[in-house]
Amino acid sequence: NAGVTQTPKFRILKIGQSMTLQCTQDMNHNYMYWYRQDPGMGLKLIYYSVGAGITDKGEVPNGYNVSRSTTEDFPLRLELAAPSQTSVYFCASSYSSRPYEQYFGPGTRLTVT
Amino acid sequence: GENVEQHPSTLSVQEGDSAVIKCTYSDSASNYFPWYKQELGKGPQLIIDIRSNVGEKKDQRIAVTLNKTAKHFSLHITETQPEDSAVYFCAASNLEYGNKLVFGAGTILRVKS
Repeated sequence: NAGVTQTPKFRILKIGQSMTLQCTQDMNHNYMYWYRQDPGMGLKLIYYSVGAGITDKGEVPNGYNVSRSTTEDFPLRLELAAPSQTSVYFCASSYSSRPYEQYFGPGTRLTVT
Repeated sequence: GENVEQHPSTLSVQEGDSAVIKCTYSDSASNYFPWYKQELGKGPQLIIDIRSNVGEKKDQRIAVTLNKTAKHFSLHITETQPEDSAVYFCAASNLEYGNKLVFGAGTILRVKS
């Protein structure tokens, strides 16, 4: 049972480039989330999904897109990367019956220059 | 919306001493308050939580207290050990609205041996 896995661990992008951050969980959780973590700012919710085919915006969704075609996968897409998107990105998942107990992946550190 | 403030931002204690981290929240409708521990290079991990119908909860060396009237809650770690060194995040949520957690900015705890 690997839990929540994220790839890549690190990435450097140039301004205007695009990329997809991958997230997979093997706990059969219905709910999945994407957060960004900036120094001294805690975690901010970007997008979340309550099941395959259902996604919704969180607190800071601008500049990002998500999709949820399977229960296991929840990729985060950055289009036209900007320096403001330099951050550490965490994916998390939870059971629908206990959505507040979230299991986090190890994170992806993204730098946009 | 909910706003969670966390203090202090950094905390250094001697091994064996106690550590206390405090959080305040703004939305009186919040009724679930988890604490996460983030070790270096890893994602946050849920360590303890408390619901608004409980004033205190303990789990071995850690405890959480909640004052609903004052809208603040605290994490207490007794007999600190070097492995307690990490970043600690508090969060708040309304269980009726399920999955959205609002996080504090985090506290870096250093336990000196």
